[in-house]
Amino acid sequence: AQSVTQPDIHITVSEGASLELRCNYSYGATPYLFWYVQSPGQGLQLLLKYFSGDTLVQGIKGFEAEFKRSQSSFNLRKPSVHWSDAAEYFCAVGLPNNNAGNMLTFGGGTRLMVKP
Amino acid sequence: GAGVSQSPSNKVTEKGKDVELRCDPISGHTALYWYRQSLGQGLEFLIYFQGNSAPDKSGLPSDRFSAERTGGSVSTLTIQRTQQEDSAVYLCASSQQGVLNEKLFFGSGTQLSVL
Repeated sequence: AQSVTQPDIHITVSEGASLELRCNYSYGATPYLFWYVQSPGQGLQLLLKYFSGDTLVQGIKGFEAEFKRSQSSFNLRKPSVHWSDAAEYFCAVGLPNNNAGNMLTFGGGTRLMVKP
Repeated sequence: GAGVSQSPSNKVTEKGKDVELRCDPISGHTALYWYRQSLGQGLEFLIYFQGNSAPDKSGLPSDRFSAERTGGSVSTLTIQRTQQEDSAVYLCASSQQGVLNEKLFFGSGTQLSVL
């Protein structure tokens, strides 16, 4: 069965510092990969997604993620964090050609805190 | 509406009581999902509706949980005889067609607390 691991439950960075949130998946084939963000009091919002092609994908709010097949990873990065980036971030994976209801498997989430 | 709307935003209930959680998806979206987010956990899939097809109930944790979607729009998740372990945030999401490469639009969730 597919699984997604976000090794870091909490991360604290200073405003203006760079950020990398880790995501590893367990899958036989290359899955579809997603990052969602959940800001306080708000629903999850899609940051970016990867299906195929260029392994470095750009998303909203200045985020990017890189798919590394050899490491089964899809880490999220941002060069300079803003205080408004404090939120919980979820990595998700899905099997191509699977459009069943449980098509997405979400990681446990990483809570990002930003220090002034 | 402009986004996925869920109500109530917070619900406190006593163990053994029934609760109903409501989701109003984005107009025109054929796919609707319910997820559960427990403290410190990822999102756990519960149930999926797609158009007029039979729902995918494979994620429902027990027969105390049920959901319906009337007229292909509003959905209600019902939890009967609530238990303390049911305490969680219940999230609803919708998408246009229910295919993997689509963006899911999430509501803000209902925080359920079972005392």
